[in-house]
This record gives sequence, structure tokens and C-alpha cells, in this order.
Amino acid sequence: GNSVTQMEGPVTLSEEAFLTINCTYTATGYPSLFWYVQYPGEGLQLLLKATKADDKGSNKGFEATYRKETTSFHLEKGSVQVSDSAVYFCALRKGYNKLIFGAGTRLAVHP
Amino acid sequence: GAGVSQSPSNKVTEKGKDVELRCDPISGHTALYWYRQRLGQGLEFLIYFQGNSAPDKSGLPSDRFSAERTGESVSTLTIQRTQQEDSAVYLCASSFTQGGAGTDTQYFGPGTRLTVL
Repeated sequence: GNSVTQMEGPVTLSEEAFLTINCTYTATGYPSLFWYVQYPGEGLQLLLKATKADDKGSNKGFEATYRKETTSFHLEKGSVQVSDSAVYFCALRKGYNKLIFGAGTRLAVHP
Repeated sequence: GAGVSQSPSNKVTEKGKDVELRCDPISGHTALYWYRQRLGQGLEFLIYFQGNSAPDKSGLPSDRFSAERTGESVSTLTIQRTQQEDSAVYLCASSFTQGGAGTDTQYFGPGTRLTVL
């Protein structure tokens, strides 16, 4: 079946450090891939998405590239800020609209 | 404009009692979803409504769970005879899905935190 695996947290970084959160998926065909973010006390928000192989999604300095050969969609940011502290969820969508989520990775950025 | 709203934000109940959770989607959104997020885990799909079509109930964990939606408006998720393992955050999302293509962004509500004692 379809599934998403992402690296366990928490990830703790200093401000301006480079961030990578790994995400791999299992699915037949060509799912759409997403990163959602949940800031403290807020609802889940779409951060970025990619709908076909080799597409790069980007938003707020975050990037992720859809790699079909490695079935991955790793999230990266060159210089994190304290305000990026949140829980990040990788997800895929196959078919109509049902999303399948990873377990989430908590990111804590310290000044 | 208003986003997806859910009520109550927190619910504490005793084992065996029934609970109702409410979701108000974004006006005009045709699709509505319920997910469950257990502590430290990702979101699990529960049920999906699309317009007047029969809902996709494939994610409901047991027959104690049911959901209704009136047209393209409010939805209620009902859990009967609650158990401690039902404790979780229940999230609702809505989207404007065109032609079933499934390319539209889901907007999530803040969730209802359910605690079953």
C-alpha cells in the first residue's frame, strides 16, 4: 500500500544552520507529494508541493524535489530561523484527494 | 476570509460516553475530510465527503465512528461509546475539488483535542 516515512525528530538546530528533513514514500504510479507545517498552537498549513517527477516545490525559503528514482521528497532550507520551529509533515496523494501522512518531524531552532 | 473552524477545541469525556465533533468548512468548498492525529503520530484519514456523492468511509476505525455532512456545509463526526484509544486530535479539512481531479489544496482546521478518561 501507499505509505510515507520521514526522519524522526526532534531536530535541533542553531539559527542560520542548514536544514534537511528526509522523506521517502512507497506508492504505485505517480503520486503528488506535499510538505505540511504545523506551527505551535496553529492548524496544519501547506508549505509546498510537487505533482510530478523532477518538480521542485518551494516556499518561504524551503525547497523539496520530487525524486522518483529514489522515491524521496526531502525538505531543505539553507538558513533556518527561530520562527521555523514547528512540526513538519511529509504527505502523498494518490487518486482523488486522500492524503497519506508521515509521522511528522519536530524542528526546534535556537538563537 | 474565514478558514475551516472546528468545535469544541478541547473535549474531555468519560469512557463509554458519546461525543460529537463539529467542522465548518470554507464556504464554497465541495470536499470535506476528517483525519485523526494520535500523539506523536501522523494523520490518519477517516472519511471524505464530495458534494452529493456517497462518502468514502474507508478510514473509519470501527462502527462506533460515523460522520454526516449536510450538502456542502457543516459536518459532524460522532464517536459512540468512546474508548481510551480514541484520545487524539481530530482534524477537519476542506478543499474546492474540480471534476474529481484531486489537485486542490486541503485547508485544515485547528482540530479538536479529545481526551477519553
